[in-house]
Amino acid sequence: ELKVEQNPLFLSMQEGKNYTIYCNYSTTSDRLYWYRQDPGKSLESLFVLLSNGAVKQEGRLMASLDTKARLSTLHITAAVHDLSATYFCAVETGTASKLTFGTGTRLQVTL
Amino acid sequence: ETGVTQSPTHLIKTRGQQVTLRCSSQSGHNTVSWYQQALGQGPQFIFQYYREEENGRGNFPPRFSGLQFPNYSSELNVNALELDDSALYLCATSVGGFTGELFFGEGSRLTVL
Repeated sequence: ELKVEQNPLFLSMQEGKNYTIYCNYSTTSDRLYWYRQDPGKSLESLFVLLSNGAVKQEGRLMASLDTKARLSTLHITAAVHDLSATYFCAVETGTASKLTFGTGTRLQVTL
Repeated sequence: ETGVTQSPTHLIKTRGQQVTLRCSSQSGHNTVSWYQQALGQGPQFIFQYYREEENGRGNFPPRFSGLQFPNYSSELNVNALELDDSALYLCATSVGGFTGELFFGEGSRLTVL
């Protein structure tokens, strides 16, 4: 059974600081997704990583994928309060292409 | 806005009752997946429908069932509700089985008392 683990589970960081969220998964997959979720809201797609070595950047967020290590990272540069949310990674598996989500990382950016 | 509409947004049921949740997809999105998200957890895959047939199922009992209609809209039905069914139910659509991105609706929050 595929397991997807994120760490840390909770991250409190000051505005202007940098940090990285890690996503490890237990079986082979070439597709990994990052989503953002605000409290009480649905999931917003951030990045789709489709191959080993893929790197994507949008604003202060950058995601990368290492399929050999079964690891993806979400790097936050110079955090701002608006980035406060829960971030999920999700791994695609199986013929139905279902997504298995990680436990989520709750990010709180403080002044 | 993803163009995926779910209804109702909130509902309260009692144990043993049945519930139907609905999802309308974006134009051209012929694949619908349903996920259950319990409070404080990541979403869990329930099942996927493609061309009106179930195309994969997660670890959910048969009392969770679904339908997809010719216009690609979908329903999720849950019978014999249990307290643990309380969750946010998310519908996600995509094109052609799967093309690398899911578009999620705002969800239906179900509370079972």
